[in-house]
Amino acid sequence: SQQGEEDPQALSIQEGENATMNCSYKTSINNLQWYRQNSGRGLVHLILIRSNEREKHSGRLRVTLDTSKKSSSLLITASRAADTASYFCATDAPDSGGGADGLTFGKGTHLIIQP
Amino acid sequence: KAGVTQTPRYLIKTRGQQVTLSCSPISGHRSVSWYQQTPGQGLQFLFEYFSETQRNKGNFPGRFSGRQFSNSRSEMNVSTLELGDSALYLCASSLDATGWYEQYFGPGTRLTVT
Repeated sequence: SQQGEEDPQALSIQEGENATMNCSYKTSINNLQWYRQNSGRGLVHLILIRSNEREKHSGRLRVTLDTSKKSSSLLITASRAADTASYFCATDAPDSGGGADGLTFGKGTHLIIQP
Repeated sequence: KAGVTQTPRYLIKTRGQQVTLSCSPISGHRSVSWYQQTPGQGLQFLFEYFSETQRNKGNFPGRFSGRQFSNSRSEMNVSTLELGDSALYLCASSLDATGWYEQYFGPGTRLTVT
């Protein structure tokens, strides 16, 4: 089942602008992760935020988590053409590891950075 | 360290056939997970193996199976292929023994069923 839902489905911005994408999920989680996928290739892990954290930074990435609203956002600042990719949020569930669904991914936001 | 490798990268099979895909995790990683990615359903969890045991399983029919060897390499098998099995199959390995943390993905095997 799809746990996370990203919004928007697609986003096109100019190079240098900031890109924000959102993720909503349904059940309680231990952590939420963001991944990037370039054109039908493997996913690359970007950042993990635990359920007791509210904000996390990594380079040009900023992730927020609001467990009361069951939502997260990923902000990419000063975007570059190389940031063009699909971005996915992934969530676990508290009882994962004992026969549950493992990581569940949203359908992704396709980000296009116009040069 | 070498990354996660998957073989073959591309595969074309006929409906009704069976297929085996292979995944070699990052050295030292004992958890291997498999995912199916399609345009319609997105990324869906197939199963996870840890120390040669299937520890988690997604909601896929029994035609989808897997195994893990003592060196942590994993294979997944799909029997009696259907057109809807056409997808990108991704393998991911992880260092962590408990919980779902950073997953390292391979480049995937693109399976086309005709």
